[in-house]
Amino acid sequence: DTEVTQTPKHLVMGMTNKKSLKCEQHMGHRAMYWYKQKAKKPPELMFVYSYEKLSINESVPSRFSPECPNSSLLNLHLHALQPEDSALYLCASSHGAWDGLGGNEQFFGPGTRLTVL
Amino acid sequence: AQKVTQAQTEISVVEKEDVTLDCVYETRDTTYYLFWYKQPPSGELVFLIRRNSFDEQNEISGRYSWNFQKSTSSFNFTITASQVVDSAVYFCALSEAPGGTSYGKLTFGQGTILTVHP
Repeated sequence: DTEVTQTPKHLVMGMTNKKSLKCEQHMGHRAMYWYKQKAKKPPELMFVYSYEKLSINESVPSRFSPECPNSSLLNLHLHALQPEDSALYLCASSHGAWDGLGGNEQFFGPGTRLTVL
Repeated sequence: AQKVTQAQTEISVVEKEDVTLDCVYETRDTTYYLFWYKQPPSGELVFLIRRNSFDEQNEISGRYSWNFQKSTSSFNFTITASQVVDSAVYFCALSEAPGGTSYGKLTFGQGTILTVHP
C-alpha cells in the first residue's frame, strides 16, 4: 500500500471555529510532514515528525497545532485561523532518518483544501 | 543554504513534442538527494524520481528521462512524445542526506507549469 490519505478533502471554517485535519499512512514510514501550499507556489514545510516526535517546526503560528498519536497517524488542529491561512494543506510521509532503508522520498496525500471565512 | 531554481515558469507544447524541464541547484552538502514531483490539477504531488548525489547515472523510465550533471549542478527532466496527461506543474526539489539536522526538509523550486495541447 503506497497511499497517504487525508480527510476531509475540503473544509470551510470561520475564524472562531476549531477543526482538525487528519492524515494516515500504512507504508511503515517513520517520518510524517505537514505542508501548506498557496496557489501557484511550491509547498511550504510546516512541521516534521520523526519517530513520533516533533523534529522540525518552521516557526508556524500557534493557531496550528500538530499531533502524532502513533506512527501511522498525523493530525493538524486548527483554531482561530485567519483568511490568509486559506490554502491546500498537504500531508506526506517517508522513511525515517535512521531506518537505513535508502532514500527519503516523500509520498504525499491528496490534500485538504481549506477556506477560512 | 540550499536553493533550487526552475527558470522556466511556463512551457506550452503540442502533443508528441519532446520537452525538457530545467533544474539548477545550490548546496554546500557533499551528499544530497534530488527529486522531481508532478502536481496535476487535482492537487496531489506525485513522486517521480530520486537521485543520490553520488550517482550520476542518467535514468530513463518509459517516456521520462533525467539528466543529472554534478559539474553544472543541474538535474533536468525530459518528456519524450508528450501527451495531454502530462499537463501539470513539475517541481524539482533538493534535500540533505539522512543523518543531517535538517532531515526531511525539501527545498523546492518554484515549479514549471507544463501545458500539452492536443
